[in-house]
Formats: sequence, structure tokens, C-alpha cells
Amino acid sequence: DAGVTQSPTHLIKTRGQQVTLRCSPKSGHDTVSWYQQALGQGPQFIFQYYEEEERQRGNFPDRFSGHQFPNYSSELNVNALLLGDSALYLCASSWGTSGRDTQYFGPGTRLTVL
Amino acid sequence: DAKTTQPNSMESNEEEPVHLPCNHSTISGTDYIHWYRQLPSQGPEYVIHGLTSNVNNRMASLAIAEDRKSSTLILHRATLRDAAVYYCILRNNNDMRFGAGTRLTVKP
Repeated sequence: DAGVTQSPTHLIKTRGQQVTLRCSPKSGHDTVSWYQQALGQGPQFIFQYYEEEERQRGNFPDRFSGHQFPNYSSELNVNALLLGDSALYLCASSWGTSGRDTQYFGPGTRLTVL
Repeated sequence: DAKTTQPNSMESNEEEPVHLPCNHSTISGTDYIHWYRQLPSQGPEYVIHGLTSNVNNRMASLAIAEDRKSSTLILHRATLRDAAVYYCILRNNNDMRFGAGTRLTVKP
């Protein structure tokens, strides 16, 4: 059973560019959440997708947007990249949206903005 | 969102028990207490969770105070592979708000 997969593993962009990160959830999972983790800090919640809709959102600007496809995979898009967007972007999947459900994390995509 | 407080770092000797504390004085009745850990260069990994009663699984035990304002993650015999950052998180829906966590160092 494949776990959560993310692509690409690493990415280098320049300021002002746009980036798309991809996530495939664990088999059987229908909910995908995205997190940003700056160096030395805990992950920060960006948003969550369930039934192809954004259900919850953290304190991130509209430059951060996402999408969930019918097969439950998801994309994270970041427009007008800033130096401060350099971070590890983590995707987590779960079945359902209950507070007791376990989230399974992927290995992350390391984004560097120059 | 309810907040958790954890020590920044802790040290343990290999094969000894480790007790990782977490304070969550503003916990609500519907908040679940979750623990995740993050090994170097990996995404967070689920450890254990509970609501009111103590919980045990193959990885660890979770002791929850009677008033639920604090909890303790117990690793019964620490190994070098347990060296990680441990996060205590309160959840009443499916997003997770991480704090800075506790960095556990295990000495051989």
C-alpha cells in the first residue's frame, strides 16, 4: 500500500514566479491537507480539501490556492513567490474530517525561492 | 484554537523510559489530544491520540490528566531511532495546529 506521495522532491524558483506542488493521498483516503514548514519551526496549516472543495484554511494569503481532483489527489499553487515562501511543503491525507482521524504525511517538497 | 505548551528540548538515555509533557489548559471538551513526531528529513509521523482515557499502542502510551489540562507521552524504552521532534496537538476537526514541539535527544 503506497503511502502519501508528493512531487517534486525539490524545486528552485525565483521571486515572482508561480509554482505547483502535487500530492497523492494514501489509498482509501479522501481528505488532503497542506502545511508549510519553515526551517526550525513546526508545520503551519495552509488549507484542507474534502470532496473537491476547500473546507478549512489557515492564515495564508490568497496567493496560496489549491485544488482537489475526483481521484482525491491535490495540488498546491503559490503565485508571486516571495523569498519567505522558501520552506518544506507537506501534504497529509486522512479518511474523513473528524478530529480523531489520523493524518498521514508525505515526505514533503522542498521549495527554495531565490 | 486551543494551544499547547511543551519544553523545547529533552534528553534521555538509550533503553530508559521517557516522559514528554504537554500542557493544554484551554482544552475544550471536544478536543482530541494527538501526538506526532518528526524524524530528521521526514514528514511528521502519527504516534498516538486520546480523548479522556489513557491510551496504549505499540509505539507509546498517552497519559491524560483527569482535568484534561495536561498529558504525557511515554516512550517505555527509548532507542536512538526515537530521536525526533515530538508535537502535542489539540484537534476538534481535521486541521492540525502544530507548535514548536519538543526535540528529544537520545544518548547511547
